[in-house]
Amino acid sequence: ETGVTQTPRHLVMGMTNKKSLKCEQHLGHNAMYWYKQSAKKPLELMFVYNFKEQTENNSVPSRFSPECPNSSHLFLHLHTLQPEDSALYLCASSQDNRAVLIRKLFFGSGTQLSVL
Amino acid sequence: KNQVEQSPQSLIILEGKNCTLQCNYTVSPFSNLRWYKQDTGRGPVSLTIMTFSENTKSNGRYTATLDADTKQSSLHITASQLSDSASYICVVSADYGQNFVFGPGTRLSVLP
Repeated sequence: ETGVTQTPRHLVMGMTNKKSLKCEQHLGHNAMYWYKQSAKKPLELMFVYNFKEQTENNSVPSRFSPECPNSSHLFLHLHTLQPEDSALYLCASSQDNRAVLIRKLFFGSGTQLSVL
Repeated sequence: KNQVEQSPQSLIILEGKNCTLQCNYTVSPFSNLRWYKQDTGRGPVSLTIMTFSENTKSNGRYTATLDADTKQSSLHITASQLSDSASYICVVSADYGQNFVFGPGTRLSVLP
């Protein structure tokens, strides 16, 4: 158990559906991330939040909409997705502090998303 | 362009054997290098983290090496077990920020 919990573990949705992925971290971290992992490709950074504020949007299409209501929770709202969006979506957290020289990522188990 | 390459793409070994996974990177300025283990259907879990001044670091049967001059790292697994079957991902951090560059991973299968 890494201290980062993602739900649901699996999700199948049609292209016209609206769904949300949820991430919760119990580590007291102040930075949270969404990554996309497609088959045989490196993890792709999607969004970064520091102290609830979005600090990075890695040119992600608007059909992906993140929400970070507090430092412990992170959501990814999905609407009108495409089949090529099928992938493993990973949430991670870290302690973002200038006193921490090595920022260590803790990952959740991911949501395996299939878009039909 | 910051990039991390790993080889081989996949590897099959018998239980009890040793193996070595390779990582080459072109990331600048270099801050640290990590190896993660990712079991099927799970998120990556950190194995080792090495800074510029560290040449080797061990975590049980896992030993990572780093050559900052040639920008290469290796992960050596000793006396492999069935539970070592997983993807091993090399990640290089370019600075103290969130700039993590991920490699594509090596898929290791350990057979009985």
